[in-house]
Amino acid sequence: EAQVTQNPRYLITVTGKKLTVTCSQNMNHEYMSWYRQDPGLGLRQIYYSMNVEVTDKGDVPEGYKVSRKEKRNFPLILESPSPNQTSLYFCASSLLAGVYNSPLHFGNGTRLTVT
Amino acid sequence: DAKTTQPTSMDCAEGRAANLPCNHSTISGNEYVYWYRQIHSQGPQYIIHGLKNNETNEMASLIITEDRKSSTLILPHATLRDTAVYYCIAVAGNKLTFGGGTRVLVKP
Repeated sequence: EAQVTQNPRYLITVTGKKLTVTCSQNMNHEYMSWYRQDPGLGLRQIYYSMNVEVTDKGDVPEGYKVSRKEKRNFPLILESPSPNQTSLYFCASSLLAGVYNSPLHFGNGTRLTVT
Repeated sequence: DAKTTQPTSMDCAEGRAANLPCNHSTISGNEYVYWYRQIHSQGPQYIIHGLKNNETNEMASLIITEDRKSSTLILPHATLRDTAVYYCIAVAGNKLTFGGGTRVLVKP
């Protein structure tokens, strides 16, 4: 089944403890992206990648890192998580790097709580 | 990307057509209009997109005005499972900006 898989679904951690949220897609998509969703602020883009080894900042990149070493994987790294990074995170992918004519497929989300 | 404006919420009756409006008066010629929906806290789901012409797929129809300043998403026979937040987005580059969307409640 074609899908975007995020892990874990739920994560509770403490301030400053490095964590990685994994994202994998099995559709050979070129484009991948991370979003966070907060009440009243909607979905905001963190980082995106147009292909292997090509990443770029979205609207809210501070405090996050990403890497795209393989086409299928796009992990989100929080080197030193803080409580303001408590949020619902979504990974998405699209067939084409030109995402304007290529729909996004979203994962089921990762709910992160930083205490 | 052009800003889009949608009603905050709307109700519709089960079995009836749901017409969701979206204004994008500053849309540029190369921007596509996309619709996604999000059911509860699940990942957003793609519905339909278009540039100039009206589009139809198994989920919905998209009507874009001739001047492209507004569009309407039509769910032909709304069901209770269509209750969701619907997002209208204008996309040209590689960054998608989601607005607040329209919270649609389908009532029996």
